[in-house]
Amino acid sequence: AQTVTQSQPEMSVQEAETVTLSCTYDTSESDYYLFWYKQPPSRQMILVIRQEAYKQQNATENRFSVNFQKAAKSFSLKISDSQLGDAAMYFCAYTVGNSGNTPLVFGKGTRLSVIA
Amino acid sequence: GAGVSQSPRYKVAKRGQDVALRCDPISGHVSLFWYQQALGQGPEFLTYFQNEAQLDKSGLPSDRFFAERPEGSVSTLKIQRTQQEDSAVYLCASSLATARGTEAFFGQGTRLTVV
Repeated sequence: AQTVTQSQPEMSVQEAETVTLSCTYDTSESDYYLFWYKQPPSRQMILVIRQEAYKQQNATENRFSVNFQKAAKSFSLKISDSQLGDAAMYFCAYTVGNSGNTPLVFGKGTRLSVIA
Repeated sequence: GAGVSQSPRYKVAKRGQDVALRCDPISGHVSLFWYQQALGQGPEFLTYFQNEAQLDKSGLPSDRFFAERPEGSVSTLKIQRTQQEDSAVYLCASSLATARGTEAFFGQGTRLTVV
């Protein structure tokens, strides 16, 4: 069974600084997608960034970037120039193959606090 | 609507009561997923629909849980004889198609509290 592990229940960062959230996963599949989702108090999951396992280049979206280490099954999220609005729960997620019709497997999440 | 809509946002049920949770996906979205998120946990998969067909219900925790999407649009998750362990946020997500890399869009969830 596929599993996703987030070893940091809570993290904090000073505004404008950089923070890295960790994620490891376990799978025997070769074709899969990895995601980072943000969940603010409103509860709505918002996609932050995604990575296809076949692409060696790390994905970036503005201030958000990932460090994808396929052999180590590691997928960390780096947030640069942290803003107060980045405070939320962050979930790492995995899905095998076609992400349009296969369910996501989530980690337990990391609560990020941003200190002004 | 512009996004996935779920109702009600909050539901308090007495133990043993039946509840129905509604999900309105984004118009035209083929795929629809239900997830259960217990307090302090990540969401866990319950069931998946492609149009009106329920293709995967492997995550439903018991036969008290039932989901339907009769016309391939709105979906309802029904929980019969609710128990305290059913207390959780129930999230619905939809996606446009089954193509690779399609993003799933989530609703704001229904928080169910069983007392």
